Amino acid sequence: GAGVSQSPSNKVTEKGKDVELRCDPISGHTALYWYRQRLGQGLEFLIYFQGNSAPDKSGLPSDRFSAERTGESVSTLTIQRTQQEDSAVYLCASTSDGRGANTGELFFGEGSRLTVL
Amino acid sequence: QQQVKQSPQSLIVQKGGISIINCAYENTAFDYFPWYQQFPGKGPALLIAIRPDVSEKKEGRFTISFNKSAKQFSLHIMDSQPGDSATYFCAASTGAGGTSYGKLTFGQGTILTVHP
Repeated sequence: GAGVSQSPSNKVTEKGKDVELRCDPISGHTALYWYRQRLGQGLEFLIYFQGNSAPDKSGLPSDRFSAERTGESVSTLTIQRTQQEDSAVYLCASTSDGRGANTGELFFGEGSRLTVL
Repeated sequence: QQQVKQSPQSLIVQKGGISIINCAYENTAFDYFPWYQQFPGKGPALLIAIRPDVSEKKEGRFTISFNKSAKQFSLHIMDSQPGDSATYFCAASTGAGGTSYGKLTFGQGTILTVHP
């Protein structure tokens, strides 16, 4: 596809369960970002991958959150032992410019809506 | 110091009117200021962006005004249309220290409704 693809689009889980969210970036985009958007709030940065460099994990809210990326391809965000406060839309974005130095433009997917009961 | 404060939370404008959304930041290292537009059920999309070497940038009906000394920037939508009804987010980032400009700090968002 032409855009960033995320799955699942909706996920309902029970408190304490683990969830995996997937992001397929735009082909050729070297940088990939995960953001969290709580209801009525702005986006919060979670993690950033750039090529083979160590990811910038500075936005991950707790050690229950982790993410992986295979090369310059798919990324998976994992939330272990989910809590109700994890309920949010998780957005993935990619860009062709590693640092976004030229345009800074991020291309976002439509997000995965997570509801923790 | 990383916050970006956005106002108003919601805005109702008549078709043809001017919509104005304001943002203020604290981190003087920020040197990239984009605005993103988000429609319900969609991801945000870049609308317009400015760097601090200019005080204003215009693209069609959308204008960013930037006041470096006040650490404020605003989005003006001229001749607002019902199709502009969406949530607008200001954001800021810095490339200092090799950080990615894509590591954005977002405002809380403004829900804009343009009545026909």
